[in-house]
Amino acid sequence: QKEVEQNSGPLSVPEGAIASLNCTYSDRGSQSFFWYRQYSGKSPELIMFIYSNGDKEDGRFTAQLNKASQYVSLLIRDSQPSDSATYLCAVKSGNKLVFGAGTILRVKS
Amino acid sequence: GAVVSQHPSWVICKSGTSVKIECRSLDFQATTMFWYRQFPKQSLMLMATSNEGSKATYEQGVEKDKFLINHASLTLSTLTVTSAHPEDSSFYICSARDRISYEQYFGPGTRLTVT
Repeated sequence: QKEVEQNSGPLSVPEGAIASLNCTYSDRGSQSFFWYRQYSGKSPELIMFIYSNGDKEDGRFTAQLNKASQYVSLLIRDSQPSDSATYLCAVKSGNKLVFGAGTILRVKS
Repeated sequence: GAVVSQHPSWVICKSGTSVKIECRSLDFQATTMFWYRQFPKQSLMLMATSNEGSKATYEQGVEKDKFLINHASLTLSTLTVTSAHPEDSSFYICSARDRISYEQYFGPGTRLTVT
């Protein structure tokens, strides 16, 4: 099974700051990348997906992909306490989604 | 948006009994459904891939005779945990892939506690 690696955190940022979450993957053939948010005791919810190199913006969220370096990142602007959750990076490998262990984000008000 | 439901949302059972968990795609058809398990403070681990009308494909280390998967229709897959033991206590999450868009949607999860 191909690996997806994330720093477990916790990553603490003050309210209003930019939170930067990073993910590296080992399967060079991967073409689809996803960021999920998971609140404690809940199932993951999709925030963004990205397929092409570069940046993709959606509201306060920006996903960045660099296939040559095999990393994908998620930036959260104007972080809010409600953004406090575990963020899971997922990479499509063949027919499956392979998840990283997740990064815990804490936004302090 | 696409909705996936799971039933039950939580269940407590005694060691040695069997538990069935249902996963339904409510407003789309799913030829493929995925079953994940998540232990506390760990990531989602894929257990098996369920394809409508055919046998499920299990990940390495997952006992197919213990975790029975049935995907009898385009909107329903079931996972039966047979002869459950306390170490099977976990959060079980299904995901369904839309046969048209190929988008994958997660169910709300089922928390299983085996006493």
